[in-house]
Amino acid sequence: AQSVTQLDSQVPVFEEAPVELRCNYSSSVSVYLFWYVQYPNQGLQLLLKYLSGSTLVKGINGFEAEFNKSQTSFHLRKPSVHISDTAEYFCAVTYSGSARQLTFGSGTQLTVLP
Amino acid sequence: KAGVTQTPRYLIKTRGQQVTLSCSPISGHRSVSWYQQTPGQGLQFLFEYFSETQRNKGNFPGRFSGRQFSNSRSEMNVSTLELGDSALYLCASSLPDFGETQYFGPGTRLLVL
Repeated sequence: AQSVTQLDSQVPVFEEAPVELRCNYSSSVSVYLFWYVQYPNQGLQLLLKYLSGSTLVKGINGFEAEFNKSQTSFHLRKPSVHISDTAEYFCAVTYSGSARQLTFGSGTQLTVLP
Repeated sequence: KAGVTQTPRYLIKTRGQQVTLSCSPISGHRSVSWYQQTPGQGLQFLFEYFSETQRNKGNFPGRFSGRQFSNSRSEMNVSTLELGDSALYLCASSLPDFGETQYFGPGTRLLVL
């Protein structure tokens, strides 16, 4: 079965510190990988996605992620976080045989402390 | 372009009732997917529609159904509501190709009493 594991349910970090949110997926076939962010009482907003090509993907708001096929990981990073980055972050995967069905991880709550 | 819109934003129902939620995709998007978000189960795929046809369905009981109209607007229906159906229901639209970004609406928050 397809699955996505977000290893940390909560990540507190001080403002201007770097952060990494971890994501691992299970797959033996080609995948497309996504990171979404959800602010309170809102829908999901795409941060970045990996389809193919360069394994380092840059997204909005200074976020980036690295696709590592051998470790089946797609960790999200930001070198310096802001208070406004406080939100829940979801890693998601879709497989070439699953149409547009996204399989989501359980989410990581990022809390940026002053 | 206007984003994905969902109506209503909030809904309160009682057990046994049925509910219909509506989703208007981004103009030009013909694929619409629905997801359920709960604290316990997280984000789960319900179904996807493209050109008025259901292309894919998640692991939900038959009480959950949907449809898509010729203008790509979609509705989902839940019959015989249960307490466990309380959730945020998210609609997403996209272009039809694999890997295309799904753009999410703000969701409809359903509370079943």
